[in-house]
Amino acid sequence: DTAVSQTPKYLVTQMGNDKSIKCEQNLGHDTMYWYKQDSKKFLKIMFSYNNKELIINETVPNRFSPKSPDKAHLNLHINSLELGDSAVYFCASSPWGAGVTEAFFGQGTRLTVV
Amino acid sequence: DAKTTQPNSMESNEEEPVHLPCNHSTISGTDYIHWYRQLPSQGPEYVIHGLTSNVNNRMASLAIAEDRKSSTLILHRATLRDAAVYYCIPESRDNNAGNMLTFGGGTRLMVKP
Repeated sequence: DTAVSQTPKYLVTQMGNDKSIKCEQNLGHDTMYWYKQDSKKFLKIMFSYNNKELIINETVPNRFSPKSPDKAHLNLHINSLELGDSAVYFCASSPWGAGVTEAFFGQGTRLTVV
Repeated sequence: DAKTTQPNSMESNEEEPVHLPCNHSTISGTDYIHWYRQLPSQGPEYVIHGLTSNVNNRMASLAIAEDRKSSTLILHRATLRDAAVYYCIPESRDNNAGNMLTFGGGTRLMVKP
């Protein structure tokens, strides 16, 4: 069973469209994240959610709206897609609480805006 | 966040040991040193972490300098499957932010058969 799964794996869409990427984790973790990896391969945190509540929003445009229906899911909805949104988006999860824990990442969703 | 310096790329021969260095001279006393790797077309995966003492697990060993300003990830016998980008990430465990990781450029490890 895949621990953190994202769908779709590939997404090609036109500028101006609205699209969603889904993420599910079956690890029982309380915290989920979205990361963006651009064409230069730098990975940057976008959002952090704990138990369905937003914890961190790293200056991401308002067009990006994460939604967490329950603590096992964190979906990413993007409005009015722009060319610069083309990237690979990774979902991740980890336990919450004191101490160091490892994060588990999904396989990524490659978004191409044309 | 502590700034890290890693070589852009390194090469190794298969079945030989590999030492991947990382400088993190601005690390704070509460920062753990995490290592993750990203295989081609995959998400990052955890390798190892430590605070002060050297650490071993089934994947690798982590050697941490006494002043904690640098660390070295050691792969004891590189395989072709170890070809990946390796990220060194000093990070504190902030209960208000979860396990948020700040990735740098990493080191691209190439393994030759």
